[in-house]
Amino acid sequence: GAGVSQSPRYKVAKRGQDVALRCDPISGHVSLFWYQQALGQGPEFLTYFQNEAQLDKSGLPSDRFFAERPEGSVSTLKIQRTQQEDSAVYLCAISKGVTSDAQETQYFGPGTRLLVL
Amino acid sequence: DAKTTQPPSMDCAEGRAANLPCNHSTISGNEYVYWYRQIHSQGPQYIIHGLKNNETNEMASLIITEDRKSSTLILPHATLRDTAVYYCIVRPRFTGTASKLTFGTGTRLQVTL
Repeated sequence: GAGVSQSPRYKVAKRGQDVALRCDPISGHVSLFWYQQALGQGPEFLTYFQNEAQLDKSGLPSDRFFAERPEGSVSTLKIQRTQQEDSAVYLCAISKGVTSDAQETQYFGPGTRLLVL
Repeated sequence: DAKTTQPPSMDCAEGRAANLPCNHSTISGNEYVYWYRQIHSQGPQYIIHGLKNNETNEMASLIITEDRKSSTLILPHATLRDTAVYYCIVRPRFTGTASKLTFGTGTRLQVTL
């Protein structure tokens, strides 16, 4: 995607381990989204940031999931005590403005593929 | 948000036009139709969007019926690199906060020689 990098690209974790996934957008993008994509499914919304403020976390599946964007740029999605059902691709998306108008297009990173054993 | 219905899979010969249908019969007047695609092991890629009128860009054309209950994405000359899952998404125009994308399961387009 245009101007979004994610790391690591692949992560294998043992069940119960904590993981941290990073999203690094190019500067000047106010809005940042995290999505989760299970195998064979479309991406599902997890959470949204407007600059450093987390305005919507309604999609986070449990309190083991935590996201932050402390300086309004890089964002980290943390999953504590990982479970096998957390295995998925985690996608970060950005858009330039405050996405109150659907004309704002979201641009996606390549994703992090997480496998929990 | 309005729900969309797409065929699970389609085939298209290389060089021919690929016409991908989408039904969104419960769409409301202030909702856009968006199309994204996802090539294997990549993040979704924006293709095109529209509200009422037909739209065209360098990637594709979007034809929206007059009643707005369905649309068709047209790739005029499909190539092998267009093999991907194509998602049709209906998105509210204005919301109180971020307008997240609600994906379905999409149409898997296979372009063949």
